[in-house]
Amino acid sequence: SQQGEEDPQALSIQEGENATMNCSYKTSINNLQWYRQNSGRGLVHLILIRSNEREKHSGRLRVTLDTSKKSSSLLITASRAADTASYFCATAMDSNYQLIWGAGTKLIIKP
Amino acid sequence: EAQVTQNPRYLITVTGKKLTVTCSQNMNHEYMSWYRQDPGLGLRQIYYSMNVEVTDKGDVPEGYKVSRKEKRNFPLILESPSPNQTSLYFCASTLLGTYNEQFFGPGTRLTVL
Repeated sequence: SQQGEEDPQALSIQEGENATMNCSYKTSINNLQWYRQNSGRGLVHLILIRSNEREKHSGRLRVTLDTSKKSSSLLITASRAADTASYFCATAMDSNYQLIWGAGTKLIIKP
Repeated sequence: EAQVTQNPRYLITVTGKKLTVTCSQNMNHEYMSWYRQDPGLGLRQIYYSMNVEVTDKGDVPEGYKVSRKEKRNFPLILESPSPNQTSLYFCASTLLGTYNEQFFGPGTRLTVL
């Protein structure tokens, strides 16, 4: 079952600009995670935000979580060509190690 | 180096010919999982395992088998592959614990003719 839905499906921006991706989900969660996937490769964990947190930072990444709206956003500041990838959100529900994934946002950074 | 390995990375086979995709992790993780990734559908879980000899179905288990005889290995078996199993497959692992990230293998691209 698909829980998260990312928006937009694709995003193309100039290097140096900020990129914002959104994720919406349907049921209550324990935590929400963001992953990056370079073309055809394995996913790499970026950041995890717990249900009782509202914002989290990691380097150029900023994640927000609004549990009342069941949504999260991932902001990448000062984008670089190396940020070109697909970004997925995944939600974990209570007492559960299972992750439910969205379909991803494809981000292209133009030099 | 801490990692999840999968073999083979690429496989082209024919309908009905049994195959196994291996997965191994060196991080002493209890939890291991198999996903398939298809365009526009994100990742869908096939099977997962919480520990040795403990396996459970995910969202799309039909046509697949798994085993967990050792903590580090979690092979995916397709007894009679069909074309609708053509996909990109990922193995992942994590420590048991509510907030733990999953570590992914590099993927296996399977084509069933």
